[in-house]
Amino acid sequence: AQRVTQPEKLLSVFKGAPVELKCNYSYSGSPELFWYVQYSRQRLQLLLRHISRESIKGFTADLNKGETSFHLKKPFAQEEDSAMYYCALVLGGGADGLTFGKGTHLIIQP
Amino acid sequence: GAVVSQHPSWVICKSGTSVKIECRSLDFQATTMFWYRQFPKQSLMLMATSNEGSKATYEQGVEKDKFLINHASLTLSTLTVTSAHPEDSSFYICSARIRAGGSGETQYFGPGTRLLVL
Repeated sequence: AQRVTQPEKLLSVFKGAPVELKCNYSYSGSPELFWYVQYSRQRLQLLLRHISRESIKGFTADLNKGETSFHLKKPFAQEEDSAMYYCALVLGGGADGLTFGKGTHLIIQP
Repeated sequence: GAVVSQHPSWVICKSGTSVKIECRSLDFQATTMFWYRQFPKQSLMLMATSNEGSKATYEQGVEKDKFLINHASLTLSTLTVTSAHPEDSSFYICSARIRAGGSGETQYFGPGTRLLVL
């Protein structure tokens, strides 16, 4: 079965510092990978997906099939980036729901 | 656009009663909706996939007779927790899927429903 691993429960960095949230997955096929973000007292919302190859709010994520990773990066953290971040995948063909990692709580210190 | 609502936002019920949670896509039609459950300090776990006009597909370990799902229209799916027990207390979240053509799919999430069974 597919699995998503986010090794860090909590990540604290200072404002202006680079941020990298790690995500590894295990699945033998070609899944679609996503990053979802949940700000305090708000619903889960899509941040970005690997297919789009876009940068949202300064965040980027590159799918590395060799390392089965989809790490989320931002060169200069901002205080408003503080949130819960979930890496997720859906199997190719979109027949199934999302499989989520356990999430990383990102705290940006002033 | 792509707003998903849930009702109620929270509910407290007595053990043995049934609770219905609604999930609506407000500005789009969703042929597929998903139901997730999130226990405190844990990640979202997929419970079932709800397809309009057909029976829901349940994940392994989820009792279909306990968690009844109905997807009668393209904008509404309901989850009924039957004969609820304290261990069913959780945060239930639905999502609705939009297929974005060549860009793959996107799921939009509702705000969640917190269920407390006494």
